[in-house]
Amino acid sequence: EPEVTQTPSHQVTQMGQEVILRCVPISNHLYFYWYRQILGQKVEFLVSFYNNEISEKSEIFDDQFSVERPDGSNFTLKIRSTKLEDSAMYFCASSMARQGSGEQYFGPGTRLTVT
Amino acid sequence: GNSVTQMEGPVTLSEEAFLTINCTYTATGYPSLFWYVQYPGEGLQLLLKATKADDKGSNKGFEATYRKETTSFHLEKGSVQVSDSAVYFCALSPQTGANNLFFGTGTRLTVIP
Repeated sequence: EPEVTQTPSHQVTQMGQEVILRCVPISNHLYFYWYRQILGQKVEFLVSFYNNEISEKSEIFDDQFSVERPDGSNFTLKIRSTKLEDSAMYFCASSMARQGSGEQYFGPGTRLTVT
Repeated sequence: GNSVTQMEGPVTLSEEAFLTINCTYTATGYPSLFWYVQYPGEGLQLLLKATKADDKGSNKGFEATYRKETTSFHLEKGSVQVSDSAVYFCALSPQTGANNLFFGTGTRLTVIP
């Protein structure tokens, strides 16, 4: 069964460093998403991506964040200069269609720890 | 705005006990409602969904009914198994506008033999 994969599973970085979180969505999906969950809090939407551009983003997704689909398979989330409060579990998801008609499939997550 | 409030955990039950995890929501219009489950080391998987009022979603013995009058979507299972131990997330997708999911905090369920 096709699945979304994410690497690495755990990333430790120092404050101020750049990190890139990687995701391989399901191959025939068209919509891609990043969510995050700070420990003990809700899973929060960050950004959605369609047709090689951002379709929606939340208030959390500020100038420190960027997303890219560098090739036909990978979908990346870059945090330019990490802060302590960026420590969270980051989930990638993909779907065939817009939500409401299309189920989102999630990866196992990358745990980011900023020290 | 859109939000989901979910029962705080963790929840510990003995095998074959009855499970209820409460979920209420705030949304405009008629959102779609979901329960996702996350087993250890895995991603969030869709457990069940309901797209309109009074719909009942069901899967693997779990059920949830979309109650518009109480804005609720409580998850139930009549007899839990050790293999049901996981984190359960309630979520909604707005009827219009944003195509992202709004999640609750998740409820960790542990079933002991």
